[in-house]
Amino acid sequence: AQTVTQSQPEMSVQEAETVTLSCTYDTSENNYYLFWYKQPPSRQMILVIRQEAYKQQNATENRFSVNFQKAAKSFSLKISDSQLGDTAMYFCAFMKWQGGSEKLVFGKGMKLTVNP
Amino acid sequence: DAGVTQSPTHLIKTRGQQVTLRCSPKSGHDTVSWYQQALGQGPQFIFQYYEEEERQRGNFPDRFSGHQFPNYSSELNVNALLLGDSALYLCASSLGAGDADTQYFGPGTRLTVL
Repeated sequence: AQTVTQSQPEMSVQEAETVTLSCTYDTSENNYYLFWYKQPPSRQMILVIRQEAYKQQNATENRFSVNFQKAAKSFSLKISDSQLGDTAMYFCAFMKWQGGSEKLVFGKGMKLTVNP
Repeated sequence: DAGVTQSPTHLIKTRGQQVTLRCSPKSGHDTVSWYQQALGQGPQFIFQYYEEEERQRGNFPDRFSGHQFPNYSSELNVNALLLGDSALYLCASSLGAGDADTQYFGPGTRLTVL
């Protein structure tokens, strides 16, 4: 079974600063996907970024980038130029790939607060 | 392009009652997954429907059942409600075949069991 661990329950950062959220996972699978989702107080789960395990290049989406270390089973999210709208719960999630959509396994989440 | 929609937004029930939650997937998606998110926790996978069949199931009792309709919309039914069933129920849609596709979530239904 796969597990996802987010060891930092809460972080706080000033607007415009850079922050890194950590995530580790455990799996025996070789083909899989990793995701970061954010859940603002409105509670809608929103996709932030996705990484395919077979890709060596780290994924980026505007101010969001990941540091994917497959051997270490580590998948951290870097948010640059933090904005007030980035305040949310952030969840790291794992999906094994077997051809088609599989279940997501989530970590417990991390609360990020961006202060003005 | 409409995203994933869920109804109702909030629901209050008493122990022992039954509840039905509804989900309409994002346009073009054929797979619906349901998750339960207890307060302060990450979502837990309940089950997934594809081609009107339950394709995968998480570690939830048989009191949790579902259905998928020919238009790909889905229902989650919970019988004999317990206090511990109070949670946010999230629906996610995706494509069921080919490359593993990203799951897009609806706004959720907040269920309170008294």
